[in-house]
Amino acid sequence: AQSVAQPEDQVNVAEGNPLTVKCTYSVSGNPYLFWYVQYPNRGLQFLLKYITGDNLVKGSYGFEAEFNKSQTSFHLKKPSALVSDSALYFCAGFMIKAAGNKLTFGGGTRVLVKP
Amino acid sequence: NAGVTQTPKFQVLKTGQSMTLQCAQDMNHEYMSWYRQDPGMGLRLIHYSVGAGITDQGEVPNGYNVSRSTTEDFPLRLLSAAPSQTSVYFCASSYKRDSGNTIYFGEGSWLTVV
Repeated sequence: AQSVAQPEDQVNVAEGNPLTVKCTYSVSGNPYLFWYVQYPNRGLQFLLKYITGDNLVKGSYGFEAEFNKSQTSFHLKKPSALVSDSALYFCAGFMIKAAGNKLTFGGGTRVLVKP
Repeated sequence: NAGVTQTPKFQVLKTGQSMTLQCAQDMNHEYMSWYRQDPGMGLRLIHYSVGAGITDQGEVPNGYNVSRSTTEDFPLRLLSAAPSQTSVYFCASSYKRDSGNTIYFGEGSWLTVV
């Protein structure tokens, strides 16, 4: 069965420092992978996705993610974190050609950026 | 273009009551789905639809019904609410073309069953 894992429940980082949120996946075949961000009492906002092509994907708000097939990872990164980046981040993915656009979500990682 | 609109935002139900969460999208998306979000479990798919008149079960369908009479609307019905259905519910939609399409989410509906 396909799965997406986020090994860290929470990540704390000082403002201005690099931010990394980890995600690993387990799917057969080539995956489509996504990152979403959720601010308090809000819906999920799309950040970026990997479909094919360059392993480094750039997204909204200065975020980027690196697809690593050998390590089955899709870590989210930001070179310099802002206090406003504090939110809940979800990694998600599904196998190519799966019916119904059924995303599988990781459990989420709460990011806290301290001034 | 309002995107994905969910109502109500907040609702408190008594055990055994029924209610419908409304979802509408104005992007002409063929795919629509309902997820529930619980702490530490990410989002889990309840039901989904690949087009008007077509629905199917997701990961956690028990206790929920859906219908898709139009492309725009995809209501989620709780027939007899239970405390285990206390959760945050998200409606989502995307184009049908392929599985790599971005899925857009509504703002969420916070449901408490007492």
